[in-house]
Amino acid sequence: GAGVSQTPSNKVTEKGKYVELRCDPISGHTALYWYRQSLGQGPEFLIYFQGTGAADDSGLPNDRFFAVRPEGSVSTLKIQRTERGDSAVYLCASSLAGTSGYEQYFGPGTRLTVT
Amino acid sequence: EDKVVQSPLSLVVHEGDTVTLNCSYEVTNFRSLLWYKQEKKAPTFLFMLTSSGIEKKSGRLSSILDKKELSSILNITATQTGDSAIYLCAVISGTYKYIFGTGTRLKVLA
Repeated sequence: GAGVSQTPSNKVTEKGKYVELRCDPISGHTALYWYRQSLGQGPEFLIYFQGTGAADDSGLPNDRFFAVRPEGSVSTLKIQRTERGDSAVYLCASSLAGTSGYEQYFGPGTRLTVT
Repeated sequence: EDKVVQSPLSLVVHEGDTVTLNCSYEVTNFRSLLWYKQEKKAPTFLFMLTSSGIEKKSGRLSSILDKKELSSILNITATQTGDSAIYLCAVISGTYKYIFGTGTRLKVLA
């Protein structure tokens, strides 16, 4: 079956611009996560959705970052007034439920470059 | 603060060698420990460990969890060039929070 998909695969934008990154989870997966991975680092937690609601957004670095999942499936991560420090690979993952019994399946990521 | 530490940070071996990767953790509410392999972008799932002392095995890869020592090892025997990747360890704290280590970059030379 289809895995987690993310679009675009690469995004280059200028400092100060607004970007949207999209994640399409595996069908039926209620839990959805966004991570940010910088070079040489492991994925860093940003936000977790259970269904439509953001159950934990404690990892969002500041109020320029926002994410939605209006129908409990596709999610969009939105970054306003981008800064060079936002450059990273943004990974999305989904799982059957937000419990410790299920592994996460990752998408291929979006590489964001802010110039 | 919850943290996961992996060692070594990088490793270069020759085909046929056996490697052992280490993961140690300090988390407030441990549930499970997972190993992932990351080659290009998306980490792919290898193992999930919840009980101490039970070995999970898949082909040449195996992993074991030691809850007393708060650590896990991932063993790869008879390494091949296709094993070259970053190996990530993650711990689930509470019901849903995954905390990742920085990974071990493994390079297997032909």
